[in-house]
Amino acid sequence: GAGVSQSPRYKVTKRGQDVALRCDPISGHVSLYWYRQALGQGPEFLTYFNYEAQQDKSGLPNDRFSAERPEGSISTLTIQRTEQRDSAMYRCASSSETGNTGELFFGEGSRLTVL
Amino acid sequence: ILNVEQSPQSLHVQEGDSTNFTCSFPSSNFYALHWYRWETAKSPEALFVMTLNGDEKKKGRISATLNTKEGYSYLYIKGSQPEDSATYLCAFAFTRYQKVTFGIGTKLQVIP
Repeated sequence: GAGVSQSPRYKVTKRGQDVALRCDPISGHVSLYWYRQALGQGPEFLTYFNYEAQQDKSGLPNDRFSAERPEGSISTLTIQRTEQRDSAMYRCASSSETGNTGELFFGEGSRLTVL
Repeated sequence: ILNVEQSPQSLHVQEGDSTNFTCSFPSSNFYALHWYRWETAKSPEALFVMTLNGDEKKKGRISATLNTKEGYSYLYIKGSQPEDSATYLCAFAFTRYQKVTFGIGTKLQVIP
């Protein structure tokens, strides 16, 4: 696609429900990042992939969070048993390079609200 | 410095003034430094990616320098305009395959 596409753009869920957030990177981009961004704050790293391999998941807050990118393209960030503190903007970014010298192209984000 | 630090956290300047802000990072390990511009309600957009000590990059009225030995990068805006109002984010990586870690940003407001 022309840009990084994320869905849903907005998700309201009740505490305890599972949610899945999808990211469709720019076609051909090999690296894919997930960040969480609180209001007015810089992006907080969650995890990233080179192709289908999860290179680093050190930013995932706990084991309720997981991510996959099975075919090296679309990625899904899953949050199980959501809690109110999970409410945030979740941003996906992709890059054309496997190293980190390539600029990141961000999607518009998925705003998650947990009631 | 254990992480990326940006200063100041916020800044107000008059239209036409030039300004600059700082990104500091651990000088002991360095691979790449990124600058992004982020307008509220939009997505961050890349300005520069720099990898070499002494790198200087320019895009219109915005430029950046990099000093990896002392662990800092400066972002300069010449003749600030109201449309420059945004948060400027710095991001850093220690090694080629290490995650890109963002600072909290410098929020710039240009007063007409």
